[in-house]
Amino acid sequence: DAGVIQSPRHEVTEMGQEVTLRCKPISGHDYLFWYRQTMMRGLELLIYFNNNVPIDDSGMPEDRFSAKMPNASFSTLKIQPSEPRDSAVYFCASSSNVAYEQYFGPGTRLTVT
Amino acid sequence: AQSVTQLDSQVPVFEEAPVELRCNYSSSVSVYLFWYVQYPNQGLQLLLKYLSGSTLVESINGFEAEFNKSQTSFHLRKPSVHISDTAEYFCAVSESGNEKLTFGTGTRLTIIP
Repeated sequence: DAGVIQSPRHEVTEMGQEVTLRCKPISGHDYLFWYRQTMMRGLELLIYFNNNVPIDDSGMPEDRFSAKMPNASFSTLKIQPSEPRDSAVYFCASSSNVAYEQYFGPGTRLTVT
Repeated sequence: AQSVTQLDSQVPVFEEAPVELRCNYSSSVSVYLFWYVQYPNQGLQLLLKYLSGSTLVESINGFEAEFNKSQTSFHLRKPSVHISDTAEYFCAVSESGNEKLTFGTGTRLTIIP
């Protein structure tokens, strides 16, 4: 199994631009999670899906952030417009409903200048 | 609501010395407990987990953790550390049957040669 796949690994963009982060969960996993990690705030859960349906988006910072999961093998996190304070490492993780541990992707390091 | 406290943000330890990384949790119901490790520029990896049964759980690389319900703790220990153990360690908790994990703020373990 290739594990959770995220792309791109690094993204540098200018303030105001749209940014799209992508995630492919482990095949067969029912849950998909998006996290953000910064030095100041640590690891924050942004949103998670179960069977492609968003369950809890209370961690999404504001309306500039949106996430979709059109099918079981793909999810996107979009920021529009991006701001410098969005600079962070964004992780995607997946899990199944029979094992509770989450498997993390390698992350996308986003820098907004 | 569940919460996790990792009191030590940084722990320096000499190579081959023992180490204990502390984790305390708060929850009003039964919990599942996890330790994750994050090596530099990588995602989080599951180190070990407690779901039920024996309160002492072990990982394949010599770490162990003991669930102590009365003290609401799940401290991570290793009798002899190696340079390769340099990483950040996160404790996490979920309320039984809840797929969400709550992470602690992490402990950075630095091994001194």
